[in-house]
Amino acid sequence: GAVVSQHPSWVICKSGTSVKIECRSLDFQATTMFWYRQFPKQSLMLMATSNEGSKATYEQGVEKDKFLINHASLTLSTLTVTSAHPEDSSFYICSARARDRGGYNSPLHFGNGTRLTVT
Amino acid sequence: GENVEQHPSTLSVQEGDSAVIKCTYSDSASNYFPWYKQELGKRPQLIIDIRSNVGEKKDQRIAVTLNKTAKHFSLHITETQPEDSAVYFCAASYSNTGNQFYFGTGTSLTVIP
Repeated sequence: GAVVSQHPSWVICKSGTSVKIECRSLDFQATTMFWYRQFPKQSLMLMATSNEGSKATYEQGVEKDKFLINHASLTLSTLTVTSAHPEDSSFYICSARARDRGGYNSPLHFGNGTRLTVT
Repeated sequence: GENVEQHPSTLSVQEGDSAVIKCTYSDSASNYFPWYKQELGKRPQLIIDIRSNVGEKKDQRIAVTLNKTAKHFSLHITETQPEDSAVYFCAASYSNTGNQFYFGTGTSLTVIP
């Protein structure tokens, strides 16, 4: 099956520093990747949609200058949390989908997530 | 945009009983409805999906039904087992420029041995 690899799985950083999270589709080309944030016992909150070769589309309320997304290739998207603050501590999950087939959506495949703790 | 509502938020059942989780959506253009299972601290895993051209799909103990007219879809788990305990999310999506998936708020299912 389709595999999405996300690194790192957990990271602790000091307030004011930046953290980069990588999301790779290992055995398929991902035209679109999504970045989510998840608080404990809550649903997945979509932060942004990343399309290969173009700028990411951010959801309302998500600061694009703080959460930098780069989708450099069909298999790699990165999320950089800049000038991290304790309130950025959360679980970040990426997901990817393959190219459409027959006009219908293909499933989302999720990375393992990254637990970010900002001290 | 799309709005997906999911009920109940928590569900406890005895082992062997059935569990039903329901979702509604608002955008009639949505045509793809996956269900994900997320165990604590792990990634969501796709367990079953349904497209708008069918009304029901079954995979062993798991089934999903879709009512396009009423804009709701449901997950049915029969003969529940303790390992079914997890958080389940429904989602809705459509073939459009955004290609976004809109998730429900999740249902925490506990199967009591």
